[in-house]
Amino acid sequence: NAGVTQTPKFRVLKTGQSMTLLCAQDMNHEYMYWYRQDPGMGLRLIHYSVGEGTTAKGEVPDGYNVSRLKKQNFLLGLESAAPSQTSVYFCASRTDRESQPQHFGDGTRLSIL
Amino acid sequence: GQNIDQPTEMTATEGAIVQINCTYQTSGFNGLFWYQQHAGEAPTFLSYNVLDGLEEKGRFSSFLSRSKGYSYLLLKELQMKDSASYLCAVSDSNYQLIWGAGTKLIIKP
Repeated sequence: NAGVTQTPKFRVLKTGQSMTLLCAQDMNHEYMYWYRQDPGMGLRLIHYSVGEGTTAKGEVPDGYNVSRLKKQNFLLGLESAAPSQTSVYFCASRTDRESQPQHFGDGTRLSIL
Repeated sequence: GQNIDQPTEMTATEGAIVQINCTYQTSGFNGLFWYQQHAGEAPTFLSYNVLDGLEEKGRFSSFLSRSKGYSYLLLKELQMKDSASYLCAVSDSNYQLIWGAGTKLIIKP
């Protein structure tokens, strides 16, 4: 049971390049989330999904897009990377019960030069 | 606005007890989560409180006072492997988690 798997684990981009981060979960969870984690700050929600085919904006959605075409996968896209998007990105998932915890992937460390 | 406050860093001695506090002001409250995050790793779930009082899980306990907007995580019999950041997160009125910046706990032998 792999849980939540994120790919890639590390990536360096140049300003203006695009890329997609992939999150896959094998727990049949309804809810999936993308966060970014920056030094000295709490995790900030970028986008989330409450089920296959649905997406919604979180606290810091600008510059990112997402898609949830399959229940197990949640993709995060950067259309035109900027240095301010240098961060560690975490994907998480949970069941549809609000009292249940979110389960996190190992993160993607992204640097934009 | 919504705000979660935790101390930035704490130091404790192996074998001792440490209490990590978390105060919150959020739009609504649907529970409070504590997570542990080792450096360079993913956050992992420790505890969940939705009612006032103390929840105990082995060496770790978590307390909640909703009227005071306050929680703490109590770690007993500290071990070197407990060196990590501890994240407090509140589920708000929309069941979204609002996260504190985390408390880095340093354990000294």
